[in-house]
Amino acid sequence: GAVVSQHPSRVICKSGTSVKIECRSLDFQATTMFWYRQFPKQSLMLMATSNEGSKATYEQGVEKDKFLINHASLTLSTLTVTSAHPEDSSFYICSARNPNGGETQYFGPGTRLLVL
Amino acid sequence: AQKVTQAQTEISVVEKEDVTLDCVYETRDTTYYLFWYKQPPSGELVFLIRRNSFDEQNEISGRYSWNFQKSTSSFNFTITASQVVDSAVYFCALSEVNTDKLIFGTGTRLQVFP
Repeated sequence: GAVVSQHPSRVICKSGTSVKIECRSLDFQATTMFWYRQFPKQSLMLMATSNEGSKATYEQGVEKDKFLINHASLTLSTLTVTSAHPEDSSFYICSARNPNGGETQYFGPGTRLLVL
Repeated sequence: AQKVTQAQTEISVVEKEDVTLDCVYETRDTTYYLFWYKQPPSGELVFLIRRNSFDEQNEISGRYSWNFQKSTSSFNFTITASQVVDSAVYFCALSEVNTDKLIFGTGTRLQVFP
């Protein structure tokens, strides 16, 4: 397997503030990481693919300027929710693909964001 | 287009019962991967299995078993002698070799009662 961590696990913020979520692959180097969003009792929706050293690839309908993704190293990708609003409240979960694990994506524990 | 269908929204069983979670997929590619993940109440997705499209052998891991049938585009998951700790949402997912993207089904919520 592989270990992926996420920080923070839970965050509450005021409307208009920005929130940064970190995703780390702890025991492997990940050239590709993924960011998903999950609403209560729904499936995971891919937001963007984060590539180390290059720009992220966003899915249709995801605002690039609102959800800033940076993949500065082979073990860290960050998602910043800028000027958060209550409708951004959700469960954000990242994953990383272990190059030695084929096509398998290993997921972090997720971050619950509540915007007041 | 790729699609994963998990028709069972919720399943409730009593401990020690066997339960099968269905997964049907659609893809135009001949090479692809299928996955099952478990999401307990804590939220983390736990990887259970990966199967590539050329490997139709069924797999057993403890109380878990998987039945992959290309003829019906299905990849069903059976839990034998279910336990309360099996209570979770289970997701089936598909990815094609040429992309990194995972396409998830809508999930099946399994509740195992003592």
